[in-house]
Amino acid sequence: QQQVKQSPQSLIVQKGGISIINCAYENTAFDYFPWYQQFPGKGPALLIAIRPDVSEKKEGRFTISFNKSAKQFSLHIMDSQPGDSATYFCAASSPGAGSYQLTFGKGTKLSVIP
Amino acid sequence: DVKVTQSSRYLVKRTGEKVFLECVQDMDHENMFWYRQDPGLGLRLIYFSYDVKMKEKGDIPEGYSVSREKKERFSLILESASTNQTSMYLCASSPRGTANYGYTFGSGTRLTVV
Repeated sequence: QQQVKQSPQSLIVQKGGISIINCAYENTAFDYFPWYQQFPGKGPALLIAIRPDVSEKKEGRFTISFNKSAKQFSLHIMDSQPGDSATYFCAASSPGAGSYQLTFGKGTKLSVIP
Repeated sequence: DVKVTQSSRYLVKRTGEKVFLECVQDMDHENMFWYRQDPGLGLRLIYFSYDVKMKEKGDIPEGYSVSREKKERFSLILESASTNQTSMYLCASSPRGTANYGYTFGSGTRLTVV
C-alpha cells in the first residue's frame, strides 16, 4: 500500500523559531510532493509543492527540502509566527487510472507560541 | 475566486438514517474526491470520480456510496448512518492531467451521528 509517513504528530515552536516537519515515502513512482495547510474550521489549502528533479524550493518563509535518494522531504517554516499555527499535511502523487491521485501523511499540528 | 462548496457545515443525523453530503465546484474540474478526516488518522480517501457517472473506490468505501450526475456536483451518500461515521468530511476537486495544480478542498462538513 502506498504510504507517506509524517512526523512529528504535533509540534510547539516559539515565535521566531524554525518549524520542521518531515515526511518519508516508499513508492519511487511518486512524482509530485505538495504540502497543505489547514486552519481550524477550514479545508486544507495548497501551500507549496516540489517535483523530485529539484532539491529545494522556497516561497517566502516556507521551504521544501527534498532528498530523492533517501526518499524524504521536509517543510521548514522560518521565523515562525502565531498565524502559522495550523495542521500541515504532506502528500505525494502518482499517476493513476484516469489521472493522478494524492496520498496524504497523517498531519502535524503546529502551535507557534508568542 | 474558485471554489469548492459543501452544502452543510454541520449535520446531526440519527443512526440508520440515509445521509446525503453535497459538493459543488465551479472550476470545471474533471476530478472530484471525498475524504474523511479524523484526529490522528489524517485524510482518508472514501471515493473519487474522474468524470461524470464514473466512480472509483478509495481506501475506506465501506458504508458509503457516491453519485456524479453532473460534472460540477459530487454527492456522498451514507446508506445507513452509524456512529462510527461521525467525522469531518472533505470534498476536493482537481483538473485532469498533471499534478501541478494540486487539489482544491471545500471547508468540510462535520457530521455527527447519534
